[in-house]
Amino acid sequence: EAGVAQSPRYKIIEKRQSVAFWCNPISGHATLYWYQQILGQGPKLLIQFQNNGVVDDSQLPKDRFSAERLKGVDSTLKIQPAKLEDSAVYLCASSFTGLGGYTFGSGTRLTVV
Amino acid sequence: GDSVTQMEGPVTLSEEAFLTINCTYTATGYPSLFWYVQYPGEGLQLLLKATKADDKGSNKGFEATYRKETTSFHLEKGSVQVSDSAVYFCALSDQPGANNLFFGTGTRLTVIP
Repeated sequence: EAGVAQSPRYKIIEKRQSVAFWCNPISGHATLYWYQQILGQGPKLLIQFQNNGVVDDSQLPKDRFSAERLKGVDSTLKIQPAKLEDSAVYLCASSFTGLGGYTFGSGTRLTVV
Repeated sequence: GDSVTQMEGPVTLSEEAFLTINCTYTATGYPSLFWYVQYPGEGLQLLLKATKADDKGSNKGFEATYRKETTSFHLEKGSVQVSDSAVYFCALSDQPGANNLFFGTGTRLTVIP
């Protein structure tokens, strides 16, 4: 089966600019996650969707981050405006049954300068 | 709150050496435990998991046993290969259904010929 697709692979922006990341999960996977992985740290959950509804966004900095999953398939994560501390790899993952059996995408590496 | 503490790296071993990467956890309830691996330039991949006490997860020669009494899930391999060089993450999921993962900080393993 095809994996979780993410784009772009790399992005460099200046602080205060906006940026968007895209994720296409594995077909049929109802649950979609966005994680932030800062260099030297483990991934941290930003938001979890079940179909097109939000299950958990308690760790999402809502003043600058937003995410949507229209039609319950693809998802977009946006940062506006970006800060230096947002430099990280943004990982998308999807799951059919949950319980941690995710498939991760390769991630988008964001550098904010 | 829930957390995972894993052995700091980096770890450098010679080929065919024995590997142990320590992982301990703090959680309410009965978490499921996971090891993920991240090869250079690739996304996170599930390596193995255990969902209840005394379960042993195994894959590709790696093993880890869920020890409730010591709240540990140490990763072991009897004979490492150069191809095992990667970053290894211990993670937990605290409740079925609330299946976001809490990750440790990762341990980088380098195996030299």
